[in-house]
Amino acid sequence: NAGVTQTPKFQVLKTGQSMTLQCAQDMNHEYMSWYRQDPGMGLRLIHYSVGAGITDQGEVPNGYNVSRSTTEDFPLRLLSAAPSQTSVYFCASIRFDTGELFFGEGSRLTVL
Amino acid sequence: GDSVTQMEGPVTLSEEAFLTINCTYTATGYPSLFWYVQYPGEGLQLLLKATKADDKGSNKGFEATYRKETTSFHLEKGSVQVSDSAVYFCALSGTSNTGKLIFGQGTTLQVKP
Repeated sequence: NAGVTQTPKFQVLKTGQSMTLQCAQDMNHEYMSWYRQDPGMGLRLIHYSVGAGITDQGEVPNGYNVSRSTTEDFPLRLLSAAPSQTSVYFCASIRFDTGELFFGEGSRLTVL
Repeated sequence: GDSVTQMEGPVTLSEEAFLTINCTYTATGYPSLFWYVQYPGEGLQLLLKATKADDKGSNKGFEATYRKETTSFHLEKGSVQVSDSAVYFCALSGTSNTGKLIFGQGTTLQVKP
């Protein structure tokens, strides 16, 4: 009964470092997405995927890269971290017939 | 483009008080509307939804009615509990269910005993 699993839960980076946030789901959902949550701004879509091998940009894609080699996994890569990327990141998978999003517990990233 | 506007928070209520959190939207076509709740330290989880005009979503004593004429989806609960303290997000999606939800900024609810 894992649902959506994100790792790591916490991470501190220095400006310019790169890292990957991992996301895995076990519900066999085709659609997955990454959001960032910032105070007073709700959640904003970074990237999404409608199936293995297919990704597209959301509202705030700059500085992030994604790939989708399997249905289960949807990692988010920060290419060169900046303080503006300090945020809480949520991965979600989507049940197509209802449109319901299932979220992971979030990854809190601090860039110094 | 599409957007969602929620009332400013935080909202502080006493236990058993009536709750309303306002949500209005701007969208083309006929979006689905959602309320998600985020408890401290957790991810968001679906609270309720409505997929067409005049639908009423309900769950755990919360209700919201999809009002196309006023482009609103206000969240209500007749008697809140301390355990309802959380952040509530209104969201909309297009008709294609691609998971591209547009969220409001969130409203923090604090319920005091």
